[in-house]
Formats: sequence, structure tokens, C-alpha cells
Amino acid sequence: DIQMTQSPSSLSASVGDSITITCRASQSISSFVNWYQQKPGKAPKLLIYAASSLQSGVPSGFSGRGSGTNFTLTISSLRPEDSATYYCQQSFTTPYTFGRGTKVEIK
Amino acid sequence: QVQLEQSGAEVKKPGASVKISCKASSDTSLIYGIMWVRQAPGQGLEWMGWISNDNGYTNYAQKLQGRVTMTTDTSTRTAYMELRSLRSDDTAVYYCARRWFGDVVGANCFDIWGQGTLVTVSS
Repeated sequence: DIQMTQSPSSLSASVGDSITITCRASQSISSFVNWYQQKPGKAPKLLIYAASSLQSGVPSGFSGRGSGTNFTLTISSLRPEDSATYYCQQSFTTPYTFGRGTKVEIK
Repeated sequence: QVQLEQSGAEVKKPGASVKISCKASSDTSLIYGIMWVRQAPGQGLEWMGWISNDNGYTNYAQKLQGRVTMTTDTSTRTAYMELRSLRSDDTAVYYCARRWFGDVVGANCFDIWGQGTLVTVSS
């Protein structure tokens, strides 16, 4: 199985800050990475697919980059409503494994 | 707005089975397949498997092989996930999600999610 190592596991930042979350795949997965946002008690929400494509309706402050084994999700100007847990997922081959999540807290 | 509506919460005893439904609001919602994911209390997301809608092909997580069955009923636009021989560590929220190929070549993602179904396994 492909392992997705996500870091950090949590972070705290202020409104307006830029933050970056990293996912590293245990083998090359081209651009088959998706990023999801999950708020407490809610289903995950697709933010980014194919490593860098912004899902319709997602604010432009979210961006994704990477290919091969290294991927990042950046929130360019943190807003209070961005407080959530973020997960990467590889969709290159089954099982479509997830990273362990990054909990983002707003100071 | 395409939606996936899941069945309600379940409480089961160890050794029992549970079958969760995931009903799509439109005919095209199941077209590329459905993924099932679960989330134990306070934990991350665990991929359980997926089912293709056009030929019924399934692919299950190794650890669930033999206990899980995923099916679809195209006449009612409903996907099902059955988990048997339940254990306490199967207690989780179970999600279905629609497979989608995005607007770019090579995309493979899951864009619409059900609201989740809590399954509690307890004696």
C-alpha cells in the first residue's frame, strides 16, 4: 500500500497568515492527490484534486502543488472559517490511502 | 445540487451485521462509482473500498476482505455497504462518496459525500 505521510499533525496560526501542509507519498503517484477539509461533525469536503486543480466553489486562497512524491496544500490568507482538519489522499492506486490529517487552529 | 443521502444511525451487538444505504439524488450521481470511508471516534479517515457502477467491480481494503460487501441498485440510485461480524473497533462514522474525474485529464477524486452514518458496536 502507498503510505501518505502528512505534516504537521497540527498547527496554530493567526487570521491572515499563510500556512502550508505537506504530504509525502511512499512512492511516485504522478499528480493523483486530493485534498479535503473536514469540520467537526461534518463530512469531508473536496478542496483540491489532481494535486493542483481547485474544486468549484472553493475560495481561491486554497492552492495545491506537487507531483511525484511531494505535495503541498497552501492557504494563502487564513480566515476564521478555515479552522478544520485537512487530509490528503492518493488516488493513484487502491487502496486510496489518506494522510493522518492536519488540524488547523486559529489563534 | 447533487446529494448523497445515507441511512440513519445504527446500534449493533458484536458479531452482528449492518447494511448502510447511500441514495443519490440524480441519475448521474453513481455513474463513476462510489467509495466508502469510515472514521472511528477522534481518528482519521480510513478507505474501505469502492464499487464501479457500470459493471459492479469492487475493490476492498485488505483488512476488511471477507467481511464487507458493496453493491449498487441502479433502479433506485442507491449504493449499499454491508459489514459483517461486527467488532467494537468497527464503531465509526461511515461515509459514501461519489467518484468523479474532474475537469482535467488524469483526475480521480471524490467530490460529493453523504452526511455520514454512525455505527455503534456494543454489547
